Amino acid sequence: GEDVEQSLFLSVREGDSSVINCTYTDSSSTYLYWYKQEPGAGLQLLTYIFSNMDMKQDQRLTVLLNKKDKHLSLRIADTQTGDSAIYFCAEIPLNRDDKIIFGKGTRLHILP
Amino acid sequence: NAGVTQTPKFQVLKTGQSMTLQCAQDMNHEYMSWYRQDPGMGLRLIHYSVGAGITDQGEVPNGYNVSRSTTEDFPLRLLLAAPSQTSVYFCASSTSSRGEKLFFGSGTQLSVL
Repeated sequence: GEDVEQSLFLSVREGDSSVINCTYTDSSSTYLYWYKQEPGAGLQLLTYIFSNMDMKQDQRLTVLLNKKDKHLSLRIADTQTGDSAIYFCAEIPLNRDDKIIFGKGTRLHILP
Repeated sequence: NAGVTQTPKFQVLKTGQSMTLQCAQDMNHEYMSWYRQDPGMGLRLIHYSVGAGITDQGEVPNGYNVSRSTTEDFPLRLLLAAPSQTSVYFCASSTSSRGEKLFFGSGTQLSVL
């Protein structure tokens, strides 16, 4: 497909793990990104993974990359109220004039 | 270090008015870009610049003009505002011309009545 696909909403109970999924378009993309947008703010780069890696862990965040299926996921362990935000998946494919392409974002809602 | 600064934060315009959204960065980034964010549409690239004196169109350039006279500043001009331009606008910058590892401003919420 032509678009970076993400589900629009995810609800998770506080303390549980959140898993946000993304399907990207181009297996030639060298870096894949996760951006976080808190209410009323701009996007902030959360983490990224190089395409020759399968997994990257950074404290409570784990990024998994399946190049065969062009699937990227972001796992947030021990989800907190401060994790409530919109999470954007993004890629820079070589076949689209090297411009970054964002998914539409997944809004993570934390249940008490 | 302020990063990317956008002004104003909020603006209300009448149809047909013009205005300029300001964007400035203090990180000496060559790449700067403007996005609009609409519900259900995600982020759409309006214009971008890979350095002073160089600008190019993104996905949705119609109705917007840009210029890049300095590395620091990248203003976005709406010449004849239309209700379809009601949106949240974000400026972003990067060291990379491909837009890797973008730094975003906090946004301008624009309403055109």
